[in-house]
Amino acid sequence: NAGVMQNPRHLVRRRGQEARLRCSPMKGHSHVYWYRQLPEEGLKFMVYLQKENIIDESGMPKERFSAEFPKEGPSILRIQQVVRGDSAAYFCASSPGRVEKLFFGSGTQLSVL
Amino acid sequence: KNEVEQSPQNLTAQEGEFITINCSYSVGISALHWLQQHPGGGIVSLFMLSSGKKKHGRLIATINIQEKHSSLHITASHPRDSAVYICAVFRNTGNQFYFGTGTSLTVIP
Repeated sequence: NAGVMQNPRHLVRRRGQEARLRCSPMKGHSHVYWYRQLPEEGLKFMVYLQKENIIDESGMPKERFSAEFPKEGPSILRIQQVVRGDSAAYFCASSPGRVEKLFFGSGTQLSVL
Repeated sequence: KNEVEQSPQNLTAQEGEFITINCSYSVGISALHWLQQHPGGGIVSLFMLSSGKKKHGRLIATINIQEKHSSLHITASHPRDSAVYICAVFRNTGNQFYFGTGTSLTVIP
């Protein structure tokens, strides 16, 4: 049973480009969370999704950021028109239910030049 | 003020020492998680607690819901325990996780 898979592991974008980060949850997990970790800072909640639904996106900037978790395929975190301040490690985690143990992916390190 | 406060921020211990990391929170919670983040960045969930105490190997986690406090203990610490330990709470209203800023532990041989 593969763990939570995130790709790419590293992503380099120039200012103004789009970044698409993918997260495949563990088999049987329908709950996905995205977190951001800025350099020298702690983890910050961004968005919580269940299959096809956004449950809570209160931690995600209203502009340029969006997330989805389609019926088929991975969850996608999309950042449009990236800026240098978006450079961070983005982690996703999955769980089988709302209040259950989390399993984390290895993260995507986004660098904006 | 953060919803989750951890102490200490940094901790250096000699191999074999007993270690305690504390977490206090200010919101009502459904569950509390202890996470471990290694220098390479990977995050592992060590425990999920909603009451009482859990033990896994040399690690013990306790929670006191009334006092809004949790502790993570490491017995017979080892250099491979060196990592950042993060407390996270799942709020009982809403769907957010709140994270502590982490405790950076270094165990010296």
